[in-house]
Amino acid sequence: GQNIDQPTEMTATEGAIVQINCTYQTSGFNGLFWYQQHAGEAPTFLSYNVLDGLEEKGRFSSFLSRSKGYSYLLLKELQMKDSASYLCAVTDSNYQLIWGAGTKLIIKP
Amino acid sequence: EAEVAQSPRYKITEKSQAVAFWCDPISGHATLYWYRQILGQGPELLVQFQDESVVDDSQLPKDRFSAERLKGVDSTLKIQPAELGDSAMYLCASSLGEATYNEQFFGPGTRLTVL
Repeated sequence: GQNIDQPTEMTATEGAIVQINCTYQTSGFNGLFWYQQHAGEAPTFLSYNVLDGLEEKGRFSSFLSRSKGYSYLLLKELQMKDSASYLCAVTDSNYQLIWGAGTKLIIKP
Repeated sequence: EAEVAQSPRYKITEKSQAVAFWCDPISGHATLYWYRQILGQGPELLVQFQDESVVDDSQLPKDRFSAERLKGVDSTLKIQPAELGDSAMYLCASSLGEATYNEQFFGPGTRLTVL
């Protein structure tokens, strides 16, 4: 079967750095997405990785290792507004998007 | 900026009643998705359309749920009859449909409460 694993919940301090990990086992791979979802709202796109390595976009970076079936989202200089759920999603060989359950990130002052 | 539109934003209904949700995707987006999301979980795909055709409805409870996209533009998702377990957020998303990069854009969702 297809599976995406993320930690259920993480806590971090305002101004700090946090890394949210995602491991996947899918039938094929055609890219990995990270989405942010604030409580009661729809997911919004953060990043896309299809090749190995690090993609940086402002305070957010996303890393991919296809051989290890592993990705992480790195958030720097955390702000209170970063409190949200972060969803990892993988496009499989049929170009279907397989979603993880999300990681709820709690930012404390 | 183009957005996915959904209505209503909130719906409260009693079990055994019928409910319908509407979605208007971003103009030019060939692929439309309906998801159900329960609190604390990731989105669960209910149905995927490519233009007016259903591509995947394997997770759609067809005894009570139906979806259509008659002209390949906007779409309606219906539940009849609603059950208590249907309480969830119903999300609509759209994408260009290009297989190599499938970023999905989400609407604001419809929060359904079944009493």
